[in-house]
Amino acid sequence: GAGVSQSPSNKVTEKGKDVELRCDPISGHTALYWYRQSLGQGLEFLIYFQGNSAPDKSGLPSDRFSAERTGGSVSTLTIQRTQQEDSAVYLCASSRTGWTNQPQHFGDGTRLSIL
Amino acid sequence: GESVGLHLPTLSVQEGDNSIINCAYSNSASDYFIWYKQESGKGPQFIIDIRSNMDKRQGQRVTVLLNKTVKHLSLQIAATQPGDSAVYFCAEANDYKLSFGAGTTVTVRA
Repeated sequence: GAGVSQSPSNKVTEKGKDVELRCDPISGHTALYWYRQSLGQGLEFLIYFQGNSAPDKSGLPSDRFSAERTGGSVSTLTIQRTQQEDSAVYLCASSRTGWTNQPQHFGDGTRLSIL
Repeated sequence: GESVGLHLPTLSVQEGDNSIINCAYSNSASDYFIWYKQESGKGPQFIIDIRSNMDKRQGQRVTVLLNKTVKHLSLQIAATQPGDSAVYFCAEANDYKLSFGAGTTVTVRA
């Protein structure tokens, strides 16, 4: 499809395990964002990638969280030693450029449950 | 910190009526605003946006109004349909970062 694709759609894992979440942005979009959405809440910014520039990691909640974007396209969000408070929906978005006035288009997210 | 908020967490509307969803923002430096619709189990879907140099923008059945004096944003949906039932978020942009409110849940009554 032409939209943002995320996988897996659901992930259940035990506390202490590592997880990897994948995002495939819209083709041609240079900017990519990760957000976290807790139950019934708004979206919390995590990290931003724009082209070859250094990512803005200011929203990552702890050093257990990391993300990379290879080849300016697909991105992976990794959470190490997962905790129960990491349970949330992790949403990825992309936009044509990183300039303001560009709408971000979202995938359907990965629903992460930590047992 | 500064954030975007919504006036009401829920809104119930009769099918066929017009809906108005309100949003207050606190950062006067924000220059771009977006409304998103989120259905259960889905990601936020772009509805309409508006730049700070405008006060009104219309789309298909939707209108966004921006009042910078009181830092208020609203989304009007004409002839509300059952498919409009969802959570609606407003978001304000500062550079590339979006700040979201908690959302308004709209329920359409048949």
